[in-house]
Amino acid sequence: AQKVTQAQTEISVVEKEDVTLDCVYETRDTTYYLFWYKQPPSGELVFLIRRNSFDEQNEISGRYSWNFQKSTSSFNFTITASQVVDSAVYFCALSDVTGGFKTIFGAGTRLFVKA
Amino acid sequence: DGGITQSPKYLFRKEGQNVTLSCEQNLNHDAMYWYRQDPGQGLRLIYYSQIVNDFQKGDIAEGYSVSREKKESFPLTVTSAQKNPTAFYLCASAPGTEIYEQYFGPGTRLTVT
Repeated sequence: AQKVTQAQTEISVVEKEDVTLDCVYETRDTTYYLFWYKQPPSGELVFLIRRNSFDEQNEISGRYSWNFQKSTSSFNFTITASQVVDSAVYFCALSDVTGGFKTIFGAGTRLFVKA
Repeated sequence: DGGITQSPKYLFRKEGQNVTLSCEQNLNHDAMYWYRQDPGQGLRLIYYSQIVNDFQKGDIAEGYSVSREKKESFPLTVTSAQKNPTAFYLCASAPGTEIYEQYFGPGTRLTVT
């Protein structure tokens, strides 16, 4: 069965701290896709990254980086030198063949960045 | 500007009334989705459509209905049969249903009293 677990409900950091958001997924498929989305207070989800199961290379985009480890079924997201504008709810999501490529979302992690 | 529009942003209804939430996209995407978000929870899929005149139930379709008569439009009706309709509703679209990321609208917050 598909499942995405974001164990951290809320995280609070002070500006300029680094913060890592954890994501653990479950799937029996060998072909699957992982995503991270950001939901700012306005409510609209914004796509951040997509990673397929055959590409375990870590990715960096500015202050954002992602660590994909199939051995631990994790796809963690790190924000370096956090800023107040990073305050949002972050969702990890999974799409696989068995699920008909419907996307399953984790419960989300609410990040507070204080000035 | 290309994107997804949902209207209205806030909607209030009395219990027992049906209400239709609008979702329009001008991204020329084939797939469209409706999700429900409750406080402290992730998104749950209500309905999705891969092509015009076709749609499938998601995980929580009971009490909801949709139509897909045009590629750019995917309205959601919350019927009186939906036992707990107060929630935040998000519409999304994607180029296809397989490997693609989804693009989301700003959402509609529905309150039923």
